[in-house]
Amino acid sequence: KAGVTQTPRYLIKTRGQQVTLSCSPISGHRSVSWYQQTPGQGLQFLFEYFSETQRNKGNFPGRFSGRQFSNSRSEMNVSTLELGDSALYLCASSSGAFANTGELFFGEGSRLTVL
Amino acid sequence: GQQLNQSPQSMFIQEGEDVSMNCTSSSIFNTWLWYKQDPGEGPVLLIALYKAGELTSNGRLTAQFGITRKDSFLNISASIPSDVGIYFCAGRAKLDSNYQLIWGAGTKLIIKP
Repeated sequence: KAGVTQTPRYLIKTRGQQVTLSCSPISGHRSVSWYQQTPGQGLQFLFEYFSETQRNKGNFPGRFSGRQFSNSRSEMNVSTLELGDSALYLCASSSGAFANTGELFFGEGSRLTVL
Repeated sequence: GQQLNQSPQSMFIQEGEDVSMNCTSSSIFNTWLWYKQDPGEGPVLLIALYKAGELTSNGRLTAQFGITRKDSFLNISASIPSDVGIYFCAGRAKLDSNYQLIWGAGTKLIIKP
């Protein structure tokens, strides 16, 4: 069974630009969550989608947005990039609704560097 | 909001030593999970605990769900070089009609050469 696939793995952007990251969950998984990981802040929850609906949202500004498609693939977008947005962005999928178990399967992440 | 205090922040150990780390909170959780993150990878689930007092093993790893439901610990016996990485605890609880997964800041395990 293929794991969670995130693209791109690495990207460099400049301040003010916008970026879109993609996540393909494990086949059959309908729940996708996004996390931001920075060395000083650990794993910070961004949002969670289940069946194309956002079910939960973390404390991030409106510049961070996401969506989920009917095939469960998800994208997240960050607009007007700031230096502080440099981080590893992790996507995780789970087999049921996230609420059921908390057991997540993570992708390898997309490492964003903002210059 | 809810917070998890994970300690220690980092550990330097010799190969073969036993390792212990824990997570505590002032809040009650109904699930505790332990993940490990290798460099350049996403976290991988090691152990999930669903009942207060539950003790679960996965090879050389043993984790327990505290009786008060406010803490959990993870032990690694006879550490080996591939145990190096960052270990995260996560607690799941219902908050504002939604389940939330709260994460510890991680314990970085380093094996002394």
